[in-house]
Amino acid sequence: DAGITQSPRHKVTETGTPVTLRCHQTENHRYMYWYRQDPGHGLRLIHYSYGVKDTDKGEVSDGYSVSRSKTEDFLLTLESATSSQTSVYFCAISPGLLQETQYFGPGTRLLVL
Amino acid sequence: DQQVKQNSPSLSVQEGRISILNCDYTNSMFDYFLWYKKYPAEGPTFLISISSIKDKNEDGRFTVFLNKSAKHLSLHIVPSQPGDSAVYFCAASAYAGGTSYGKLTFGQGTILTVHP
Repeated sequence: DAGITQSPRHKVTETGTPVTLRCHQTENHRYMYWYRQDPGHGLRLIHYSYGVKDTDKGEVSDGYSVSRSKTEDFLLTLESATSSQTSVYFCAISPGLLQETQYFGPGTRLLVL
Repeated sequence: DQQVKQNSPSLSVQEGRISILNCDYTNSMFDYFLWYKKYPAEGPTFLISISSIKDKNEDGRFTVFLNKSAKHLSLHIVPSQPGDSAVYFCAASAYAGGTSYGKLTFGQGTILTVHP
């Protein structure tokens, strides 16, 4: 199994509160991704990183920001959480070569009240 | 704009029989396709993949077929086992001259239930 951990694994927060989710990898992979999973939508890409300090937006980036100051850590921040951001969040990593598989972390279940 | 679609939300099969999960895509730039399996409260795990230069890839009980003209792929599981019960996601990526950064577009998922 790829060495990916996510923290926290569960979080309950209130609307308007900032929230930061952490993804940590021990594989030294170049590419990292944040997805959210919602019923009927599968997994949708929020943001991704193709190197330290190199990030870009995905399909559903509104209301989210990311940072990557070290190869091993990719942070996802909800600046002001809303109920529509209640979801399960998955981090994934990839070596970054052509047609490489992505490996997923265990997920963070976030509930915004 | 759903570029990858799994039109069957659920599939139920008997143990020992074949499970066939289907996936359709609309973006002709997709050139690499993957299947992931997901158990409750866990992250998706990679199952099998296929490049657009092939029409079939096999790994044990799992075979993926790709029909590029129909923009359709399918995952066959033979024989199905109760432990295969999970949500299955198909995903696609486009190399796009190296600027795609490996981004994946996922289908909505199909819940497979294998009955003993």
